Amino acid sequence: DTGVSQNPRHKITKRGQNVTFRCDPISEHNRLYWYRQTLGQGPEFLTYFQNEAQLEKSRLLSDRFSAERPKGSFSTLEIQRTEQGDSAMYLCASSPDEQYFGPGTRLTVT
Amino acid sequence: GESVGLHLPTLSVQEGDNSIINCAYSNSASDYFIWYKQESGKGPQFIIDIRSNMDKRQGQRVTVLLNKTVKHLSLQIAATQPGDSAVYFCAENVQGGSEKLVFGKGTKLTVNP
Repeated sequence: DTGVSQNPRHKITKRGQNVTFRCDPISEHNRLYWYRQTLGQGPEFLTYFQNEAQLEKSRLLSDRFSAERPKGSFSTLEIQRTEQGDSAMYLCASSPDEQYFGPGTRLTVT
Repeated sequence: GESVGLHLPTLSVQEGDNSIINCAYSNSASDYFIWYKQESGKGPQFIIDIRSNMDKRQGQRVTVLLNKTVKHLSLQIAATQPGDSAVYFCAENVQGGSEKLVFGKGTKLTVNP
């Protein structure tokens, strides 16, 4: 499978814990995006990388959220001190032009 | 401001019928539009896109229409099949501006056999 992959697919954590998600984009896609999707809503943009540079961040990305793409290939999204409101599907997409999405990581904060 | 919405939250059709899913957008600067299909538990799947210099674009069984005058976008699915049952999102972007896609809330399409 040469599509966008995300790990883990599901994560259950207790409030206050830190979590980290990984995204592996389609090979040689230089653009990588993170979105968040809550039930019944469309995805909301969080941040965007071109190669290893983080070029855009949404105001939704609070100080507890950090994303990296150190070598311009895979990316990680970390949420510190998780809150129940962080429960959502976290989607990664990559593109040369149109954005192709991965399957997402579903986070449940209890 | 930037916002994309949909007229109907749900749509139910009979197998073999044609489906039309509508979308309204408010950012007149948006010049690139995409339709995504999302099945339960999966990420959005790219269906078709259209740029603002076009009014219509056709794919396999799908057609997207863009009316810039009234800021309206539609997705037509011909001969709808049970496998088309999913939530459909339109998304917009301003080319050369922000890289983010702005999504609407989605329309749930149910195809009855």
